[in-house]
Amino acid sequence: KNEVEQSPQNLTAQEGEFITINCSYSVGISALHWLQQHPGGGIVSLFMLSSGKKKHGRLIATINIQEKHSSLHITASHPRDSAVYICAVRLFYNTDKLIFGTGTRLQVFP
Amino acid sequence: EAQVTQNPRYLITVTGKKLTVTCSQNMNHEYMSWYRQDPGLGLRQIYYSMNVEVTDKGDVPEGYKVSRKEKRNFPLILESPSPNQTSLYFCASSLIRGPSYEQYFGPGTRLTVT
Repeated sequence: KNEVEQSPQNLTAQEGEFITINCSYSVGISALHWLQQHPGGGIVSLFMLSSGKKKHGRLIATINIQEKHSSLHITASHPRDSAVYICAVRLFYNTDKLIFGTGTRLQVFP
Repeated sequence: EAQVTQNPRYLITVTGKKLTVTCSQNMNHEYMSWYRQDPGLGLRQIYYSMNVEVTDKGDVPEGYKVSRKEKRNFPLILESPSPNQTSLYFCASSLIRGPSYEQYFGPGTRLTVT
């Protein structure tokens, strides 16, 4: 069983829809990252969370440490949001190490 | 502009021919790391470095070497590449290890070993 699981693996949406991507983990963590990987391959860091909620534009990330779960929400989705979204956790006992989920591929159609 | 650069971006090589993928960052970051990305497996850490002359193995270090002689550079060396090292490689850096700092990723190097 993977230590970091994302769902769904693939997601399609119409422009304007509200999108939720989930990340569950089974290890003790000190922080959780959400990353975005565009079709060209480049990876950009969206959020780093250790508790609560963060918002940046149309993106919202939440984390529930007790339930070992995080969600990434996209409001008013747009075709330019089409990308792979990756969840990664930084281990509590080894903060040098990141463990990655396998990603959620999102396609937003106009 | 703050960035992590990798070279080359694309490389096709043959089994056994030594190669080096360079990684450089201009943000004075202490922490640098190499990852490989394979379909269905996600990103996996190969090696990381917490500062000059300090390196350690990640999850999949076999077949790779690294060095950190200068703070800005962290090259990945494949002494004798094999086809199972065909992958997309990313270098990343961050200000300091720990929970509070985001990682900056390079653009990736797509390596094919035939």
